[in-house]
Amino acid sequence: GAVVSQHPSRVICKSGTSVKIECRSLDFQATTMFWYRQFPKQSLMLMATSNEGSKATYEQGVEKDKFLINHASLTLSTLTVTSAHPEDSSFYICSAAPGARGYTFGSGTRLTVV
Amino acid sequence: QKEVEQNSGPLSVPEGAIASLNCTYSDRGSQSFFWYRQYSGKSPELIMSIYSNGDKEDGRFTAQLNKASQYVSLLIRDSQPSDSATYLCAVNEGGSEKLVFGKGTKLTVNP
Repeated sequence: GAVVSQHPSRVICKSGTSVKIECRSLDFQATTMFWYRQFPKQSLMLMATSNEGSKATYEQGVEKDKFLINHASLTLSTLTVTSAHPEDSSFYICSAAPGARGYTFGSGTRLTVV
Repeated sequence: QKEVEQNSGPLSVPEGAIASLNCTYSDRGSQSFFWYRQYSGKSPELIMSIYSNGDKEDGRFTAQLNKASQYVSLLIRDSQPSDSATYLCAVNEGGSEKLVFGKGTKLTVNP
């Protein structure tokens, strides 16, 4: 079946540094990927839609200069959290857009900013 | 504002019982409906997808969709302790591939 590989699974970084999260579609091409954030005991909130070869589309309230998204190929999308602060600590999850296989989620990245 | 509403629970059922999870949505243009299971600290896992009115069965799981009432449900028969998790209802935004998630219902199946 369709697999989206996401890494790292966990990362701890110091406040003010940047962190890059990668999502790769392993056996299919994903022209569109979605990036979500999930705070404890809350649901998934869509942050942005990543489109291969073009600029990402951000949801209202999400700072595009803070959450940099790059989708340079049909199998790789990256999310960079720039100048991370403790309030950015969250569970970040990517998802590939539906095709015949439907939506496929990555395994998630637990980011802790200290 | 597209909304997906779920009873947050917690819902507690004994092992072997039927667990019933409900979800309503606001966007009449939605065409795709999903139920995901999420264990603590893990990514969501697709349980069922449903696209047309009526029932869809897969093993112990049955999804029901009523577009006129903007209502989708999930029944879990013969509930097992391993079914204990948070169940997320997700609906696509009409005319879009974006998914809107409900806040989830936490289910506990007691041995």
